[in-house]
Amino acid sequence: GQNIDQPTEMTATEGAIVQINCTYQTSGFNGLFWYQQHAGEAPTFLSYNVLDGLEEKGRFSSFLSRSKGYSYLLLKELQMKDSASYLCAVRDSNYQLIWGAGTKLIIKP
Amino acid sequence: DAGITQSPRHKVTETGTPVTLRCHQTENHRYMYWYRQDPGHGLRLIHYSYGVKDTDKGEVSDGYSVSRSKTEDFLLTLESATSSQTSVYFCAITEGQEPNTEAFFGQGTRLTVV
Repeated sequence: GQNIDQPTEMTATEGAIVQINCTYQTSGFNGLFWYQQHAGEAPTFLSYNVLDGLEEKGRFSSFLSRSKGYSYLLLKELQMKDSASYLCAVRDSNYQLIWGAGTKLIIKP
Repeated sequence: DAGITQSPRHKVTETGTPVTLRCHQTENHRYMYWYRQDPGHGLRLIHYSYGVKDTDKGEVSDGYSVSRSKTEDFLLTLESATSSQTSVYFCAITEGQEPNTEAFFGQGTRLTVV
C-alpha cells in the first residue's frame, strides 16, 4: 500500500528553527509537495521537490532524498503566524496526490 | 487567490437523507477533485474529474457520486448520508496533471450527519 508518515504534532519557540520530516512509500514518484493549513482553512501550496536536494523560498526550505523516501520542511525565524498544520503529499505513478495526515506545529512565545 | 467557491460551507443533515455539495471554479481548470479530511488521516480522494462528463473514482468513493455538466461546476452527492460521512470536504482544482502542478483548494464544507 501507499503510506506517508509525518509527526502528529511539534512545538517550537518563536524565532527558532524547526524541521518537519516526511517519509513516504508510494507506487511511483512524480514529485513531493508541502502545503500549509491554518485551522479551519484550506491548504495552501508551499513548495515542490522532484529532484534530490534543497529548495529554498525565503524562510521556508524543503529537502528531498528520493533514494531514502524522505523529505523535510525547514522553517526559520519562526513567527506566531506559522502555527498551522503542514501537509506532505506525493504525486504517485498515476499522477494522483497521496497525502500525509499532517503535522500540527505549535509556536510558543 | 484561485477562484474556487464551495457551497454550503456548513451543513447538518439527518442519516439517510441525500446531500449535494457544490464546487464552482472561475479558473477554467480541467481537473477538479473532491477530498475528505478527517482527524488522523490525510486528505483522501473521493472522486475526481478530468473534463465535462469525465469522472473517476478515488480511494474512498463508496456512498458518493459526482457529476460535472459544466467546466466550472463539480457536484458531490451523498446518496444516503451516514454518520461515517461526517467530515470536512474540500474541493480542489489543477490546471493539468503534470508532476509539478499545484492544487488549489476551496474553503471546505463542514458536514455533520446526525
